[in-house]
Amino acid sequence: DGGITQSPKYLFRKEGQNVTLSCEQNLNHDAMYWYRQDPGQGLRLIYYSQIVNDFQKGDIAEGYSVSREKKESFPLTVTSAQKNPTAFYLCASSIEGAGGYTFGSGTRLTVV
Amino acid sequence: AQSVTQPDIHITVSEGASLELRCNYSYGATPYLFWYVQSPGQGLQLLLKYFSGDTLVQGIKGFEAEFKRSQSSFNLRKPSVHWSDAAEYFCAVAPSGGYNKLIFGAGTRLAVHP
Repeated sequence: DGGITQSPKYLFRKEGQNVTLSCEQNLNHDAMYWYRQDPGQGLRLIYYSQIVNDFQKGDIAEGYSVSREKKESFPLTVTSAQKNPTAFYLCASSIEGAGGYTFGSGTRLTVV
Repeated sequence: AQSVTQPDIHITVSEGASLELRCNYSYGATPYLFWYVQSPGQGLQLLLKYFSGDTLVQGIKGFEAEFKRSQSSFNLRKPSVHWSDAAEYFCAVAPSGGYNKLIFGAGTRLAVHP
């Protein structure tokens, strides 16, 4: 079955380290998205990409970086510049005009 | 700027009771509207969506939502709640056309009492 796979499910990071969250989809969707979820704040858009080798900043891109070298993959790097990285991270994908996203099951990142 | 407001942070209902979750949006034109559900530690699942046409939309798991243009609202309803409906519910809005970059409300957490 097609879907989005996020890995790992849980990730622990020491302060000052960069970490990369994986997101892979086999839905043949063009667009992919990264959201951050904090309690009581809903979902906030970090980065999105509508085509390979192109991506745009969302509302809270500072301290994060992405790449889109393949249609299927959209990894997110949480850099040491992100001051408060502990959160639940969700990846999603969509096709043009269809409306709505398909979400992965998320990665919970904790700084230790 | 586009925005979505879910006025109720927490709602508790008894099993078998009816449910209505409120959603108001701010947008210049008629947007695409969505409701998602999230179980703890999981991703979001699409319940239903509205693009155009009939303003009463049916979704999965017995949910429905009604678009009211005059009130800029898209409230989610279910006539009889089951214990398994306990979850967090998110309303979202996107401009029509294109890749529909979604803007989410803060969510409403639903608890169901037996």
